[in-house]
Amino acid sequence: KQEVTQIPAALSVPEGENLVLNCSFTDSAIYNLQWFRQDPGKGLTSLLLIQSSQREQTSGRLNASLDKSSGRSTLYIAASQPGDSATYLCAVGGGADGLTFGKGTHLIIQP
Amino acid sequence: DAGVIQSPRHEVTEMGQEVTLRCKPISGHNSLFWYRQTMMRGLELLIYFNNNVPIDDSGMPEDRFSAKMPNASFSTLKIQPSEPRDSAVYFCASSLLDSSEQYFGPGTRLTVT
Repeated sequence: KQEVTQIPAALSVPEGENLVLNCSFTDSAIYNLQWFRQDPGKGLTSLLLIQSSQREQTSGRLNASLDKSSGRSTLYIAASQPGDSATYLCAVGGGADGLTFGKGTHLIIQP
Repeated sequence: DAGVIQSPRHEVTEMGQEVTLRCKPISGHNSLFWYRQTMMRGLELLIYFNNNVPIDDSGMPEDRFSAKMPNASFSTLKIQPSEPRDSAVYFCASSLLDSSEQYFGPGTRLTVT
């Protein structure tokens, strides 16, 4: 059974810092990996999707990498802003199948 | 596109009552997923459909839970009878079979008293 772990569970940093969120998964036979953002009391917003054949994806200040062989992904956020404060969720699987989620990293960016 | 639509957004009901949650996927998407989110267990997949056919319902916690997809634009998740431990946020998501990126609805917050 696939298990997804996210480290750290919570992170608080001053505005402007670059930061890295980590995700690991136990079964490397994944179809893709997706990073989401969830604001309090809200739904999930898809940030980046990495197909299993890809190594990384970039969108604005966000960069996500995927190393299938080691079962790891990182989400890099450059020049963090208070508006980046949210919970970030990593999920693996996808395709025509469902996603397996990590518990998330609760991020606070201090103004 | 309006995105994935869920109703109701909030539902408060008493233990033993029947609850029906509704979802309209993004037009043209042929995969639909139901997830449940709790503080203790995080987000868990309950069931998913491909081309309106249920593929895997192994995540459905008990026989009290059932889901249907009568057509490509509508799905329901029913709980009968409801229990306090069913209190959670229920999300519906949809995707294209060959695209795999899933798009989530705003969720239904269910409280069973």
